[in-house]
Amino acid sequence: GAGVSQSPSNKVTEKGKDVELRCDPISGHTALYWYRQSLGQGLEFLIYFQGNSAPDKSGLPSDRFSAERTGGSVSTLTIQRTQQEDSAVYLCASSLTAYEQYFGPGTRLTVT
Amino acid sequence: ELKVEQNPLFLSMQEGKNYTIYCNYSTTSDRLYWYRQDPGKSLESLFVLLSNGAVKQEGRLMASLDTKARLSTLHITAAVHDLSATYFCAVGQGAQKLVFGQGTRLTINP
Repeated sequence: GAGVSQSPSNKVTEKGKDVELRCDPISGHTALYWYRQSLGQGLEFLIYFQGNSAPDKSGLPSDRFSAERTGGSVSTLTIQRTQQEDSAVYLCASSLTAYEQYFGPGTRLTVT
Repeated sequence: ELKVEQNPLFLSMQEGKNYTIYCNYSTTSDRLYWYRQDPGKSLESLFVLLSNGAVKQEGRLMASLDTKARLSTLHITAAVHDLSATYFCAVGQGAQKLVFGQGTRLTINP
């Protein structure tokens, strides 16, 4: 079946602009995660959604970052007033249980 | 705070040789994962280890978990070039997130 999909695959933006990154999880998966992979920081957890519960936002690095998940499916990660240190690959994952996370192909964000 | 450390971070080896990647973590967890990442690609799940003494094997890769020592190993047997990739271990924290190691970049030379 279809895996986790993310769009766009690449995004180049100017410093100070806002960006939106999209994640379509595997159908039926109730949990959705965002991670960031950068050269300096490795792979970091950003945010987690589980069903209708309040999301765990403990990994968001600043208040410029926000995410929402509509209808328990698609999620959007928004970064406002982008900075060069936001350049990274943003990975989305989804799961049905706590014991497996399936990762999407990622969005490579470059802030110039 | 949960910390996960892998070693080595870089590994260059010859085809046909055996080697082991180590993953240490600092606090108790009920699950440990190994992922593979090829350049420019996403993470591919290799193994999920859920209990002390768990051992899983797939082809030339074998992973084990010692929860008392907070240590997991990924053993490569008779390496082949196709196994060249970056390997990450990750430890589950709570029900939500994974905390990743730094990754081990493995290069297998003919």
